[in-house]
Amino acid sequence: GAGVSQSPSNKVTEKGKDVELRCDPISGHTALYWYRQSLGQGLEFLIYFQGNSAPDKSGLPSDRFSAERTGGSVSTLTIQRTQQEDSAVYLCASSLGPGQGFAGYTFGSGTRLTVV
Amino acid sequence: SQQGEEDPQALSIQEGENATMNCSYKTSINNLQWYRQNSGRGLVHLILIRSNEREKHSGRLRVTLDTSKKSSSLLITASRAADTASYFCATAPLIAGNMLTFGGGTRLMVKP
Repeated sequence: GAGVSQSPSNKVTEKGKDVELRCDPISGHTALYWYRQSLGQGLEFLIYFQGNSAPDKSGLPSDRFSAERTGGSVSTLTIQRTQQEDSAVYLCASSLGPGQGFAGYTFGSGTRLTVV
Repeated sequence: SQQGEEDPQALSIQEGENATMNCSYKTSINNLQWYRQNSGRGLVHLILIRSNEREKHSGRLRVTLDTSKKSSSLLITASRAADTASYFCATAPLIAGNMLTFGGGTRLMVKP
């Protein structure tokens, strides 16, 4: 597609429920990233996919968080047993990979997650 | 932990004035980028400067990079109300691919 698409744009969930956030990157971008941003804060790295390599999961805050990327395209971030501190905007970005002429990330509009 | 730290955290200026934001980082980098964020949603890539470059221009934007001081600055000239946003610097490390580490951002308000 023309840009990075994220869905849903807003999600309100009850504490303890599981949620799935979806990211559809730009076609041809081999790299995909998930970040989260709490209100008024900077971006916190979560996970990074590059081509067929094993993802860099070093930023995932707990084992309740997981992500997958199917067919090198769409990615889903899953948060199990949500807690109130998970409330944030979850941002997905994609880019060309190393050696492909990397020129910066293209971000989606984010999913605002509110856990009540 | 944050690699980039922006200074100031908030900046308020009048339309037509120049705005300067600074970024400091800790480890060696491949490149440094600046992004703008409106309304707390998706970020927009503004400019990328590589570690072997010292200055770069794009329209009203001027970015400098001093690798010896591990610092960068973003200058917006002749600011407009539409420049009101948060601005983030992000660093790409020498190793670990293109994964960026973002700073906490500078909130810029341009008053008409």
